[in-house]
Amino acid sequence: SQTIHQWPATLVQPVGSPLSLECTVEGTSNPNLYWYRQAAGRGLQLLFYSVGIGQISSEVPQNLSASRPQDRQFILSSKKLLLSDSGFYLCAWCESSYNLPLHFGNGTRLTVT
Amino acid sequence: SQQGEEDPQALSIQEGENATMNCSYKTSINNLQWYRQNSGRGLVHLILIRSNEREKHSGRLRVTLDTSKKSSSLLITASRAADTASYFCATGGRGSTLGRLYFGRGTQLTVWP
Repeated sequence: SQTIHQWPATLVQPVGSPLSLECTVEGTSNPNLYWYRQAAGRGLQLLFYSVGIGQISSEVPQNLSASRPQDRQFILSSKKLLLSDSGFYLCAWCESSYNLPLHFGNGTRLTVT
Repeated sequence: SQQGEEDPQALSIQEGENATMNCSYKTSINNLQWYRQNSGRGLVHLILIRSNEREKHSGRLRVTLDTSKKSSSLLITASRAADTASYFCATGGRGSTLGRLYFGRGTQLTVWP
């Protein structure tokens, strides 16, 4: 069966520090991968979307970047965190088709201080 | 915006009652999906309805879709305390946004025992 791993679960980082969040999927190949951010009490904002290794689509201009160095690995990064980067970050995957149900990780709670 | 908007933002009912949540969207869609999120966790897929479908059932869940009104509803029958969670609708894009899912802000459902 397929599983998704996202870590760390919580993270407290000072303003200006770098960020690296990792997400890996097991049990499937060539998945579509997604990074979402959820601000407190808000909906999910799509940040990045990938259909294959090295293929990243960015939804909104921001202080973050994403990379997909391997088929089932998706990394969210920042060189210098801002206070506004605080939030709940969720990684998700689906089969490599269009708009099939997403399977989410348990998220990373990031607090930038 | 391609995001759906759920209504109401919050809903409080007693166990055994039915809960109805609505979702409106603005653009042409490929499909519409409903997800559930327990506090501090990732989202779990509940049901998907395609743009050429009008109604779908899954256990105690019933989803309707009216593409002419660009709206959907989620009905949970005979609610239980364990149904307490946030519920989100997500719309699957077409054309240049094919493969992306856009989420609304959610409805917070509280079911009292």
